[in-house]
Amino acid sequence: DQQVKQNSPSLSVQEGRISILNCDYTNSMFDYFLWYKKYPAEGPTFLISISSIKDKNEDGRFTVFLNKSAKHLSLHIVPSQPGDSAVYFCAATGNQFYFGTGTSLTVIP
Amino acid sequence: KAGVTQTPRYLIKTRGQQVTLSCSPISGHRSVSWYQQTPGQGLQFLFEYFSETQRNKGNFPGRFSGRQFSNSRSEMNVSTLELGDSALYLCASGVGRDTDTQYFGPGTRLTVL
Repeated sequence: DQQVKQNSPSLSVQEGRISILNCDYTNSMFDYFLWYKKYPAEGPTFLISISSIKDKNEDGRFTVFLNKSAKHLSLHIVPSQPGDSAVYFCAATGNQFYFGTGTSLTVIP
Repeated sequence: KAGVTQTPRYLIKTRGQQVTLSCSPISGHRSVSWYQQTPGQGLQFLFEYFSETQRNKGNFPGRFSGRQFSNSRSEMNVSTLELGDSALYLCASGVGRDTDTQYFGPGTRLTVL
């Protein structure tokens, strides 16, 4: 049973535009959410996180939004750069980490 | 600070064999988790160790086992390998709090022939 879902397997965006990656979860007990970025043949790299007591967290070009009532998480990248092309995983923590299946982002120069 | 290291990086085995993978966490981290990544399946949680004790376990058969040593280093063992065990095995370490950030190693690519 997939408790964290990323329904878009892939996303293409023009360089300079906004990338929006979405994530949905089912368990209202999750209290901490994270985004990871993964390049081929490397382990995921931590990008940004948000606690359930917040609805927004910003770090440079990356902003994560949390809508607890909708059980929805999103990552905004502004402006998108070609180096952002990677697979992005969202994760939620309860008694363990639960990861989504990933969204492959391609930023077109 | 050195990151999470995993050895070996690549491994080729045949069906029926067993394999042991190793993970050294970031210094000071006491939690080590293992994940299996296969195409289209995301990261599937195997188990988590904290202070030498298995704290959580995912839905994998008993062929998958692990342990953690007093220095927080961890090993994962897979016995009686099957073709479907071919995957990238990732190890992640954290301090072990509930709201924790896990830091991943580069992974071990296991191919079962």
